[in-house]
Amino acid sequence: SAVISQKPSRDICQRGTSLTIQCQVDSQVTMMFWYRQQPGQSLTLIATANQGSEATYESGFVIDKFPISRPNLTFSTLTVSNMSPEDSSIYLCSVGLAGVSSYNEQFFGPGTRLTVL
Amino acid sequence: GQNIDQPTEMTATEGAIVQINCTYQTSGFNGLFWYQQHAGEAPTFLSYNVLDGLEEKGRFSSFLSRSKGYSYLLLKELQMKDSASYLCAVVGSNYQLIWGAGTKLIIKP
Repeated sequence: SAVISQKPSRDICQRGTSLTIQCQVDSQVTMMFWYRQQPGQSLTLIATANQGSEATYESGFVIDKFPISRPNLTFSTLTVSNMSPEDSSIYLCSVGLAGVSSYNEQFFGPGTRLTVL
Repeated sequence: GQNIDQPTEMTATEGAIVQINCTYQTSGFNGLFWYQQHAGEAPTFLSYNVLDGLEEKGRFSSFLSRSKGYSYLLLKELQMKDSASYLCAVVGSNYQLIWGAGTKLIIKP
């Protein structure tokens, strides 16, 4: 398994500003993912954070809005840029590891609860 | 397109048994996960199926039928702490997870 921490755990931000969320893992991992979970809904994958190269974004998400850094195998950041109230959500970092039952079990960080006013 | 269907909400009684179904239509299949998510917390792993059949783990069991595109999570001897959302996720052809909307399970005394 992996221990994943995220900072900040929550924040309230003004419209038009940007927030950078940090994700730290206690071991080196190849696959890191960023998800968004809006209230009462399931997880939506934003992008896969690739170490040493640009992130791979899912349909509907773009680098200008959600720039991602992955400087090494234990750390990644997600920035939510030029925020609007529609960006209010929980943002989750996860890592893919070979778990007990499978080779690509995902472990999740505690999440960052973002409210945009 | 890719689609995963789960009931939105289910209610069960403490001590009883409940079955949460998940049907999927995806381009490629490399396994299916069930995760549990308590309100305000991150999802945690429950089970993984890649072959047809039943996998039992304590009070929880998970079943898969690949030919039917169907899985279920069976929870026995329900406890109040089992009140949570249960998320079904399929590993697609590119090995990324495709998530269902989740089933909110309410346990009543």
